[in-house]
Amino acid sequence: DGGITQSPKYLFRKEGQNVTLSCEQNLNHDAMYWYRQDPGQGLRLIYYSQIVNDFQKGDIAEGYSVSREKKESFPLTVTSAQKNPTAFYLCASSLNEKLFFGSGTQLSVL
Amino acid sequence: DQQVKQNSPSLSVQEGRISILNCDYTNSMFDYFLWYKKYPAEGPTFLISISSIKDKNEDGRFTVFLNKSAKHLSLHIVPSQPGDSAVYFCAASWGTGANNLFFGTGTRLTVIP
Repeated sequence: DGGITQSPKYLFRKEGQNVTLSCEQNLNHDAMYWYRQDPGQGLRLIYYSQIVNDFQKGDIAEGYSVSREKKESFPLTVTSAQKNPTAFYLCASSLNEKLFFGSGTQLSVL
Repeated sequence: DQQVKQNSPSLSVQEGRISILNCDYTNSMFDYFLWYKKYPAEGPTFLISISSIKDKNEDGRFTVFLNKSAKHLSLHIVPSQPGDSAVYFCAASWGTGANNLFFGTGTRLTVIP
């Protein structure tokens, strides 16, 4: 079954803590993306990677970091510098302009 | 600055009737438009798209219309079914790749049985 797998589904962060959200794909897509969704808002691009070992900042990259060591994997770290981390995080890969999304991770602050 | 706008946060329609979801954009460079459907606690799934060289694209019960002069697109669902109840996101892009893809804020459609 081809697709995007995100884990965990729910994640809680304590004050000052870094947390990492996992994203794995077996679609053999080169490009991968991280989006953030807040209630009543559209999806906003955090980071994207068009090829292994390369990634670019999106519109709201501050307080986040990523790595792309393997084609299949694009983990997102929410650092303590992100002051408002509570949101629904979506990972995606793309074939041209069409995005294929994972099922998301809901991150909340304790 | 929101380049893609969905001004109706919600829409309720009777089962069997037509649902019309609207989307406006400001950037005349956009040349490809997509609609995504999202259920709660799930990722969006691709529904239908249209290139700027067309003004209509149809796929079963779903039709997307593009009016370039008005910078407006709409999604028609006929007939509407209860399973269509979801949040619908409009998106627009220019160039190649999805890094130039901009999403609207979404419209929550409720189809009443």
